[in-house]
Amino acid sequence: SAVISQKPSRDICQRGTSLTIQCQVDSQVTMMFWYRQQPGQSLTLIATANQGSEATYESGFVIDKFPISRPNLTFSTLTVSNMSPEDSSIYLCSVGDRNSVTIYFGEGSWLTVV
Amino acid sequence: RKEVEQDPGPFNVPEGATVAFNCTYSNSASQSFFWYRQDCRKEPKLLMSVYSSGNEDGRFTAQLNRASQYISLLIRDSKLSDSATYLCVVNDANYGQNFVFGPGTRLSVLP
Repeated sequence: SAVISQKPSRDICQRGTSLTIQCQVDSQVTMMFWYRQQPGQSLTLIATANQGSEATYESGFVIDKFPISRPNLTFSTLTVSNMSPEDSSIYLCSVGDRNSVTIYFGEGSWLTVV
Repeated sequence: RKEVEQDPGPFNVPEGATVAFNCTYSNSASQSFFWYRQDCRKEPKLLMSVYSSGNEDGRFTAQLNRASQYISLLIRDSKLSDSATYLCVVNDANYGQNFVFGPGTRLSVLP
């Protein structure tokens, strides 16, 4: 499986600020995803990061709040904008190939908003 | 009804015990099925895929019943290192990927 690196691994952020999370993969991948895992909850898909075009967002998630970039097949960023305490979560980058049947996760970015 | 449901747990079992987790899914058109393991404060990691014929990997056995829309995971001879949350995951997409995660079942193996 691909090696997926995320940074920052954790951060404590002030309410109202924005934070950008980076995801770097050691090989080209077709599909990259961003998930959120709120405390005590399972994973929820935020969006699919599309290379060269706008991300595809799931219901309940919007581009203004979670802008995503995907400039190439190995890199993506997720920004959490105008943060509130409700945004305190683990944010996970994951990758999969259109021909593969599984997805793999980065180590996650643990955000606490105070 | 949630798309993927699991035993709420937690399961507290002694070392060496056999433990079984159950999972049900609502979309009869679901294509592929997995168990992931998530350790505390870590990312989920693929444990095994689940096939209709059933599959085994060492102490772990996974079963799929498409008619009942039911998935199971059996762990034999539990080890302390098996303590984790086990996530049932279903891919609903006919092409590409639409992974739906269950809420997870927490397992604690006690000495």
